[in-house]
Amino acid sequence: AQSVAQPEDQVNVAEGNPLTVKCTYSVSGNPYLFWYVQYPNRGLQFLLKYITGDNLVKGSYGFEAEFNKSQTSFHLKKPSALVSDSALYFCAVRDGHTDKLIFGTGTRLQVFP
Amino acid sequence: EAGVTQFPSHSVIEKGQTVTLRCDPISGHDNLYWYRRVMGKEIKFLLHFVKESKQDESGMPNNRFLAERTGGTYSTLKVQPAELEDSGVYFCASSVLGRSSYEQYFGPGTRLTVT
Repeated sequence: AQSVAQPEDQVNVAEGNPLTVKCTYSVSGNPYLFWYVQYPNRGLQFLLKYITGDNLVKGSYGFEAEFNKSQTSFHLKKPSALVSDSALYFCAVRDGHTDKLIFGTGTRLQVFP
Repeated sequence: EAGVTQFPSHSVIEKGQTVTLRCDPISGHDNLYWYRRVMGKEIKFLLHFVKESKQDESGMPNNRFLAERTGGTYSTLKVQPAELEDSGVYFCASSVLGRSSYEQYFGPGTRLTVT
């Protein structure tokens, strides 16, 4: 069965420090992977995606993610966290047979000043 | 370009009542999806329209849920009668038909509370 795991409910990081939000996946066929962010009282905003090509993908707001096929991971990273990055982050994979997205449970990122 | 819009933003109803949620996709997007997030859990797929046709409704929980997309534009999701476990945030998303990127654009969601 296809699935996404986000092992951390919450990640705390000090402003200016690097951050990592973890995601692992299980999917048949080639994975199409996505990161979305939800700010308070807002909808899901697309951050970045991996379809093919370079394993390091760059996205919005200075975020990047590294696709690792052997570890079936797609961790979200940012070199220097901002307080404004505090939000709920969702990792998703496209179902190999349909268009639907399969999401993880989300990770709340808290960046402290 | 206007994004995906959803109405209402919030709905509080009693068990047994009926609620209808509306989604207006981005203009020109033929794909329309409904998802739901129950408190603290993952966002789960409900169904997928291509234009006015239901492409995949494998995620619909039961026959109390009815989705329509008349004319291939906006969509409604009706819950009748609502149960306590239907509480959650209902998201709508849309995308362009035929694009290989598979990127979906989400609306702000409707928070449904059934008491």
